[in-house]
Amino acid sequence: GAVVSQHPSRVICKSGTSVKIECRSLDFQATTMFWYRQFPKQSLMLMATSNEGSKATYEQGVEKDKFLINHASLTLSTLTVTSAHPEDSSFYICSATREPGNTIYFGEGSWLTVV
Amino acid sequence: LAKTTQPISMDSYEGQEVNITCSHNNIATNDYITWYQQFPSQGPRFIIQGYKTKVTNEVASLFIPADRKSSTLSLPRVSLSDTAVYYCLVGGMNTGFQKLVFGTGTRLLVSP
Repeated sequence: GAVVSQHPSRVICKSGTSVKIECRSLDFQATTMFWYRQFPKQSLMLMATSNEGSKATYEQGVEKDKFLINHASLTLSTLTVTSAHPEDSSFYICSATREPGNTIYFGEGSWLTVV
Repeated sequence: LAKTTQPISMDSYEGQEVNITCSHNNIATNDYITWYQQFPSQGPRFIIQGYKTKVTNEVASLFIPADRKSSTLSLPRVSLSDTAVYYCLVGGMNTGFQKLVFGTGTRLLVSP
């Protein structure tokens, strides 16, 4: 079964509003989680590194004020897309590392459609 | 982080063995090689991971030559349900292993 879960799996929001996506590690603690964005028929693009108890680290070109990341606990990271626009419509995926073994698990992904 | 290069796409038929090769010329000493499978509208799924020589699990084998500059994912007797995108990634814990950077991936199409 899934070890990393995302919610919601699909969300539609109006342009200008904000939407939150949750990423949970189900039976393990993850001090670090990652957020990716994927457009149709393209590869995953790393957006940011989510660190429990500290500020997220964003990749070059990703607006930190637009994509707010909060890693408030060892099992939950949230991505909030603020003032969403249609061009933010995409598939958002998170990942977390399960130890021991350092296997990286991905969430099921969340489809965001901004209308 | 080591860059990877894979074929953009491959075609196969049911029952055949499929080998997907990935080049990673700049792999570091502490880097591991990991392969993921992704279906449309789903997150990537872990397939196999290795450091050198050969690794086999219930779904695939991973062949890594001595110089580790490439690796080959082998899928035995593919079925239609193996149609997916396959990603090769390299990384090590002390070089930010958790921070995976995805290449283009290989889009495998299995036909009847």
